[in-house]
Amino acid sequence: EVQLLESGGGLVQPGGSLRLSCAASGFTLTSFAMSWVRQDPGKGLEWVSAIGGSGGRIYYADSVKGRFVISRDISKNTLSLEMYSLTAEDTAVYYCAKGDRSNYKEGRLDNWGQGTLVTVSS
Amino acid sequence: QSVLMQPPSVSGAPGQRVIISCTGSTSNIGAGSDVHWYQQFPGTAPKLLIYDNSNRPSGVPDRFSGSKSGISASLAITGLQAEDEADYYCQSYDRSLSGAGVFGGGTKLTVL
Repeated sequence: EVQLLESGGGLVQPGGSLRLSCAASGFTLTSFAMSWVRQDPGKGLEWVSAIGGSGGRIYYADSVKGRFVISRDISKNTLSLEMYSLTAEDTAVYYCAKGDRSNYKEGRLDNWGQGTLVTVSS
Repeated sequence: QSVLMQPPSVSGAPGQRVIISCTGSTSNIGAGSDVHWYQQFPGTAPKLLIYDNSNRPSGVPDRFSGSKSGISASLAITGLQAEDEADYYCQSYDRSLSGAGVFGGGTKLTVL
């Protein structure tokens, strides 16, 4: 059974940093693309970042490019999102989601974690 | 503003049929990119409802169906039930955005 468990969310001051983690089980990260999708409270979904199964192709939304870094620890089967220079606009629930294939430019997100809330406020 | 456009809300009485539209452009849906639909209840993560335009994952009732034509896609729900009240999002890929995944703005379904 596929499971995704996010952690690392919390309250951070504007300009601060945070690292989110997503522990994956039931499959191997090297076989599937993984994405981070965020949702402002009461708002819609925004695709934030993605990494292909091979690890060689990475995507960032313009809103986070240069501030967020997606990575994987294959030995721990864990996906991470390092977030820097955070602003109030980054306040959201962050979900990690598994793609159904290795290429993040195709396919569906067939499994989602429960989400972790990031609040940027002074 | 979302790349894929959905009506903010739709409603229907129990037993009725509702349709949620998802309108894109020639750089996403119209370019041949598949459309997927997700269902989200308050306080929970989205769940895959329809994939590859019209396919249902195991466990999704056949009351839910999807279709795609031109630059648009649609989600139809027949025999509406109270437990269908949720937010629904369409998703595809946009070639003008380096192939990035894009979502619709979401549609709140209210069962009257």
